[in-house]
Amino acid sequence: SQKIEQNSEALNIQEGKTATLTCNYTNYSPAYLQWYRQDPGRGPVFLLLIRENEKEKRKERLKVTFDTTLKQSLFHITASQPADSATYLCALDNTGGFKTIFGAGTRLFVKA
Amino acid sequence: GAVVSQHPSWVICKSGTSVKIECRSLDFQATTMFWYRQFPKQSLMLMATSNEGSKATYEQGVEKDKFLINHASLTLSTLTVTSAHPEDSSFYICSARDQALYGYTFGSGTRLTVV
Repeated sequence: SQKIEQNSEALNIQEGKTATLTCNYTNYSPAYLQWYRQDPGRGPVFLLLIRENEKEKRKERLKVTFDTTLKQSLFHITASQPADSATYLCALDNTGGFKTIFGAGTRLFVKA
Repeated sequence: GAVVSQHPSWVICKSGTSVKIECRSLDFQATTMFWYRQFPKQSLMLMATSNEGSKATYEQGVEKDKFLINHASLTLSTLTVTSAHPEDSSFYICSARDQALYGYTFGSGTRLTVV
């Protein structure tokens, strides 16, 4: 069955460092991979989308890579700030938006 | 940017009663909206796809008679949890996609507690 794996353990880093989160998937060939941020008690907020034929996408301090051979995406936050502390979800989609599957998310804590 | 408004943000109800949750797209039209349920520290689980003017499509294992979905207009979908029980207590979130933008826009979620 289709499976998305994100590190369930929280990631603790120091302010100013680069945070790297991992998303692995199996039994799936997504056309799109998305990353979302979710704060406690709130709905997810869309951050970035990367297509299967793209290797890397950047947006301000965010960078996403997509390796369809390894079936893995890496999500980087450079110069991290305490305000970046949240849960980050990856989501896969191969149906043009009608069957998106979400990972459980990785909690990030950035210490000042 | 696209905005999805979800109400109420939290609700406490007695076992056996029904609760209605509203999801509105404020600045775009959404022929399709999605309803998710999320338990603590778990992923979003798609419950159903709400289609404007037609019946919702439910995911396997989701009781359509218990979770009634109505999508009567291009900007409003409602989820009614009927005869709620404590095990229905969860965080319910809706989403929609503005075709002009990437990604989905989510509502702020509804925390349902059944006592």
